[in-house]
Amino acid sequence: ETGVTQSPTHLIKTRGQQVTLRCSSQSGHNTVSWYQQALGQGPQFIFQYYREEENGRGNFPPRFSGLQFPNYSSELNVNALELDDSALYLCASSLRLSTDTQYFGPGTRLTVL
Amino acid sequence: AQSVAQPEDQVNVAEGNPLTVKCTYSVSGNPYLFWYVQYPNRGLQFLLKYITGDNLVKGSYGFEAEFNKSQTSFHLKKPSALVSDSALYFCAVRDKGHGGSQGNLIFGKGTKLSVKP
Repeated sequence: ETGVTQSPTHLIKTRGQQVTLRCSSQSGHNTVSWYQQALGQGPQFIFQYYREEENGRGNFPPRFSGLQFPNYSSELNVNALELDDSALYLCASSLRLSTDTQYFGPGTRLTVL
Repeated sequence: AQSVAQPEDQVNVAEGNPLTVKCTYSVSGNPYLFWYVQYPNRGLQFLLKYITGDNLVKGSYGFEAEFNKSQTSFHLKKPSALVSDSALYFCAVRDKGHGGSQGNLIFGKGTKLSVKP
């Protein structure tokens, strides 16, 4: 069984640029959720994808967008990067059941200069 | 609004002693509760969850948690701490609200556990 993987591990961008982060879900999982973890904080929910459609969204602006592909892998795109976007971005996969556990990948550390 | 609180930023324990990491929650209805651990520069690893049933939940690496509905708590425990248990621990509750984030996890701020030899 393959766990959740994310790429890249680290990324450095400048303010105003755009970035794409990638996530491969755990085998058998059809739902992907993205979280932002700022330094010293708990993860904050960005959005969730189920069967290639956005299935829920947290309190993040529209410049945060995503995709899910037929193989259930996912991308997180952030446009017009701001300094406050610097964080660890975590992807989690699960089944859609509300009682199911979300399994997290190792994260992508994004630094915006 | 649903929320989770971890009242201690840091917990210090001597190796071999029991440890407790505290968590309280505020949700409508029956809560779905989770504990995760995060090692430096790593993602979150699932430890255990409470959905229903026995109030004492056993999880990975010898950890357990006790669900207490009257005190709205879900404290993480281990009878004998190891130095390797030193990490950041997060309590989370499944969002059961009616907004767009329904079904996802609401996390506490985390508690740093330090186990000294």
